[in-house]
Amino acid sequence: QSVLTQPPSESAAPGQKVTISCSGGSSNIENNFVSWYQQLPGAAPKLLIYENDERPSGVPARFSGSKSGTSATLAITGLQTGDEADYYCGTWDDSLNAYVFGTGTMVTVL
Amino acid sequence: QLQLQESGPGLVKPSETLYLTCTVSGGSISDNTYYWGWIRQPPGTGPEWIGSIYYSAGAFFNPTLSSRATMSVDTAKNQFSLRLSSVTATDTAVYHCARHYSGRSNWFDPWGQGTLVTVSS
Repeated sequence: QSVLTQPPSESAAPGQKVTISCSGGSSNIENNFVSWYQQLPGAAPKLLIYENDERPSGVPARFSGSKSGTSATLAITGLQTGDEADYYCGTWDDSLNAYVFGTGTMVTVL
Repeated sequence: QLQLQESGPGLVKPSETLYLTCTVSGGSISDNTYYWGWIRQPPGTGPEWIGSIYYSAGAFFNPTLSSRATMSVDTAKNQFSLRLSSVTATDTAVYHCARHYSGRSNWFDPWGQGTLVTVSS
């Protein structure tokens, strides 16, 4: 089981906001940058956020990231049906000496 | 834009060695900013980082797999490869290659579409 814990699922109506939490510890999130990935059905994961709150070119501003202590959060505003996907957080773990991914959250648009 | 494509056998027998290649196009594997990584995703679960390699240096691996994994780079073909020995059914997964930034932070982008490897006799 991963050292990064995410809720299994989140849902909201179109146009609303959904937030996804990623809980870790001092060896990972607290002392390292967090990334977020979106995996649409049948597709490869895509980088959504890097260095806690930076968006790669082409990622809409509806997606935002933040970090506080041992937890990180991905927020999606103006939710669209095309946002239905699995979302994973990721970061380096200094104790494991490995890059680790979260348990994943499935987002459903109601 | 940069694209990565995995290739290799879709079926490997237990105890044998899995061998996959990733071909990079639209950019150079000798780019000194990035590493090149392998990530796998067992069916229905999240991704697991396997290891990463720099074009002119060695590789570093997830300690859970380091005893069985090796990686290599072929700059002439703009490819890098993964070997995973002594495979078992738990190694069945979709294997992705990805460009890996490993500096003040770590992240993977872009990813290849992935190739399903099944370990079965």
